Amino acid sequence: GIQVEQSPPDLILQEGANSTLRCNFSDSVNNLQWFHQNPWGQLINLFYIPSGTKQNGRLSATTVATERYSLLYISSSQTTDSGVYFCAVFLFRAGTALIFGKGTTLSVSS
Amino acid sequence: EAGVAQSPRYKIIEKRQSVAFWCNPISGHATLYWYQQILGQGPKLLIQFQNNGVVDDSQLPKDRFSAERLKGVDSTLKIQPAKLEDSAVYLCASSAVAGGPGGIQYFGAGTRLSVL
Repeated sequence: GIQVEQSPPDLILQEGANSTLRCNFSDSVNNLQWFHQNPWGQLINLFYIPSGTKQNGRLSATTVATERYSLLYISSSQTTDSGVYFCAVFLFRAGTALIFGKGTTLSVSS
Repeated sequence: EAGVAQSPRYKIIEKRQSVAFWCNPISGHATLYWYQQILGQGPKLLIQFQNNGVVDDSQLPKDRFSAERLKGVDSTLKIQPAKLEDSAVYLCASSAVAGGPGGIQYFGAGTRLSVL
């Protein structure tokens, strides 16, 4: 099945710093979503980005489908950015349920 | 627009007891998923419904887990009897369609189950 690897596993930042989270996947995919899981466990959609680049405020994401990776950029980090960031993918021929990586745990301190 | 609703938020039971979780997807969403998230891991699919039919239940432990989606809207997930290793967060997600841009999955807040 598809393998999804995220790096780094843990990241500690001071407020105001920038960061890049990476997601590698082992096969061509039809869907890629980035999520933020807040400390209360809620999975919040950040981006639907099977290819290309998108931006939403301080967050942006780029997926290079041909090279099988996606990057999530967080600029000017805030304490509210803390939590776990998940990358999840699916490939139509393997079904449409999302396959998640293990996540990157981000801690932002003031 | 209302999101995916789940209840209860928390549940504590003893092993061998039974438990049920409820999910109400976003209105009009045809596809519904139940995922299990064990502490420190990403969510993993248990079962997928398209309207009221099962699309994929290959990873559902059918000897103890069951799920239904009557009338293609609400869904319930049941565990009977529960084991210690069932302690996890159970997440419900829905999408307008299965796959493609309309296949963006939206998640509920989850039910955190502790089996003692």
